[in-house]
Amino acid sequence: SQQGEEDPQALSIQEGENATMNCSYKTSINNLQWYRQNSGRGLVHLILIRSNEREKHSGRLRVTLDTSKKSSSLLITASRAADTASYFCATESQGGSEKLVFGKGTKLTVNP
Amino acid sequence: GAGVSQSPRYKVAKRGQDVALRCDPISGHVSLFWYQQALGQGPEFLTYFQNEAQLDKSGLPSDRFFAERPEGSVSTLKIQRTQQEDSAVYLCASSVLGVTEAFFGQGTRLTVV
Repeated sequence: SQQGEEDPQALSIQEGENATMNCSYKTSINNLQWYRQNSGRGLVHLILIRSNEREKHSGRLRVTLDTSKKSSSLLITASRAADTASYFCATESQGGSEKLVFGKGTKLTVNP
Repeated sequence: GAGVSQSPRYKVAKRGQDVALRCDPISGHVSLFWYQQALGQGPEFLTYFQNEAQLDKSGLPSDRFFAERPEGSVSTLKIQRTQQEDSAVYLCASSVLGVTEAFFGQGTRLTVV
């Protein structure tokens, strides 16, 4: 079964606006990763944040992690039409299990 | 190759037919993962290999699903006696070691009719 939920399930914004997606999870984790998936394509790794980190930046991406609330957020600033995709968070649980557990994803549409 | 390659990209199978899905990981990657992604859902873990050893197959939904990686490189996911609920995109991923920054293939979209 899937680890948790992304919120919102779908988000539609105008080019240039910021997009914020949230992710909640259930178990203690080693790290949390965000992936992007364009329609009909594979997943592309965006950013990883470790359990002892609270915030991380990569280009126009900003990720936060709150382990006390078991939640993370992904902020995409100055969005572009090319950012249109589904975004998934994935967690690596503690305990040595070598697998990522994905949420259900947020479908982002950036209108030109 | 430059990335993870999966074949075929699309497969239509009649119910009851056996199918085999192939994954060519990035050269030198030790870890290989298979995931199943139903329409509108996130990927769900099926199985994990480290070299040729299948270390975790806890996500395989039934004994109709079988995966192998005999030489520690190419992997095959086999589904016997396919059923309609097997319709999904099957994603393969590889990494240098472990789940940190796994690289995904384009997937195989399986439709069982």
